[in-house]
Amino acid sequence: EAQVTQNPRYLITVTGKKLTVTCSQNMNHEYMSWYRQDPGLGLRQIYYSMNVEVTDKGDVPEGYKVSRKEKRNFPLILESPSPNQTSLYFCASSYVAGHPGNEQFFGPGTRLTVL
Amino acid sequence: GENVEQHPSTLSVQEGDSAVIKCTYSDSASNYFPWYKQELGKRPQLIIDIRSNVGEKKDQRIAVTLNKTAKHFSLHITETQPEDSAVYFCAASIHSSARQLTFGSGTQLTVLP
Repeated sequence: EAQVTQNPRYLITVTGKKLTVTCSQNMNHEYMSWYRQDPGLGLRQIYYSMNVEVTDKGDVPEGYKVSRKEKRNFPLILESPSPNQTSLYFCASSYVAGHPGNEQFFGPGTRLTVL
Repeated sequence: GENVEQHPSTLSVQEGDSAVIKCTYSDSASNYFPWYKQELGKRPQLIIDIRSNVGEKKDQRIAVTLNKTAKHFSLHITETQPEDSAVYFCAASIHSSARQLTFGSGTQLTVLP
């Protein structure tokens, strides 16, 4: 089954404790992206990756890091989380271009609370 | 960069009525416009999309219209049903594909029985 998976689904942590949210896709997509969703603000892009070892900042990258060592995985790293990073996070993937029916597939989301 | 504005933020309709959600975009180079539906507690899922070489696209009860001159596009849902209740997001991209989407802020649609 074609899917994007994220782990963990729920996480409560404390300020300053480093954490990683994993994202994996099995569709051989080149493009992967992280979003945060906050009430009234929609989906805001944090970072994206066009392919292995190619990453770039989105609209709200401060306080986050990513890596793309393998095509299928795109982890999101919060090295020193703060309460303003409490949010719902989505990973997504798609082909870069040229595929009929291309769409961005979303993972199930990770609800992060930073105390 | 691209900016997408979406209205209204909330919309309530009676079952069977039509619902219209509107979005405007700022970058005239945008050429791909998808709409996503997010049910409560679920992930966003694509329901329909349109490219800039087309003015309208329909899929059963859902249609999207695009006005490139005015830089706005709209989602139309006819014969609404309670299962249409969800948050709807519009988005835009300059890449003719699903990458690097800029999303609107979302519309909470409630269909009243």
